[in-house]
Amino acid sequence: GAGVSQSPSNKVTEKGKDVELRCDPISGHTALYWYRQSLGQGLEFLIYFQGNSAPDKSGLPSDRFSAERTGGSVSTLTIQRTQQEDSAVYLCASSFRQGGGVYGYTFGSGTRLTVV
Amino acid sequence: GQQVMQIPQYQHVQEGEDFTTYCNSSTTLSNIQWYKQRPGGHPVFLIQLVKSGEVKKQKRLTFQFGEAKKNSSLHITATQTTDVGTYFCAGPAGANNLFFGTGTRLTVIP
Repeated sequence: GAGVSQSPSNKVTEKGKDVELRCDPISGHTALYWYRQSLGQGLEFLIYFQGNSAPDKSGLPSDRFSAERTGGSVSTLTIQRTQQEDSAVYLCASSFRQGGGVYGYTFGSGTRLTVV
Repeated sequence: GQQVMQIPQYQHVQEGEDFTTYCNSSTTLSNIQWYKQRPGGHPVFLIQLVKSGEVKKQKRLTFQFGEAKKNSSLHITATQTTDVGTYFCAGPAGANNLFFGTGTRLTVIP
C-alpha cells in the first residue's frame, strides 16, 4: 500500500483482557518497528523486525508483550492480561534498510489503546 | 545508556518569529534524524544528517549537525501556524532502532 496501515485505530479493553494490534508496512520495506507513545510523551521502542532475522525484542516492557511478523510483511503486537499502564498509542513504522544504510521511518497512524 | 535530550520542552512563539530546538546526545551519533508530529497525528520523517558539521535546508527549516556529532539543531524562520507540532530528533540506538529525543512542542500564536 501507499503507507503504513494500522488497525484498529482505537481499542478500548477491560483490564486483564488480551489485545492484538495489527500493522501492514509499506511494500518493499524490510524493517518494521513497534513503538509506543504515552500521552504527551516521547516514543518508546518496543521491538524491531528485519527480513528473516531474529527480532530485536529488547524494548518489550514485560513478558505480557509479544510480536510476530508473518511472511516478512504484516506484524501483530499482542498484549496479554492488559493493565492500565499499557494505555498508550502504539505506533508501527517501516523503513527500507540495506546493508549499513539508515533510512527514515514511515509511521502508521497508530492504535490508541485504552485499558479500563 | 543512550540519552538524547531536547531543549526547550515547550516553545510558544508569535507567528512570524523564528524558532530553534536543540538536540544533545551523551554519545557520538553516526547520524541523526528529525521528525515532526502534528497534534493528534503520527511522527513524519523530515530529514537525516550524516556528516560532521552538515547543514541542510528545507524551505524555512534549517537543520544542523554539530562538528562533534553529538548535537543537532532545527531552526524555523518566520514561523507559520502550519509549523505547530512536536519536533523530535532521533539517533541510532545500537544497530537496530532509533532512540527518540524528548521532543519540543511548538505553539504558534496567530
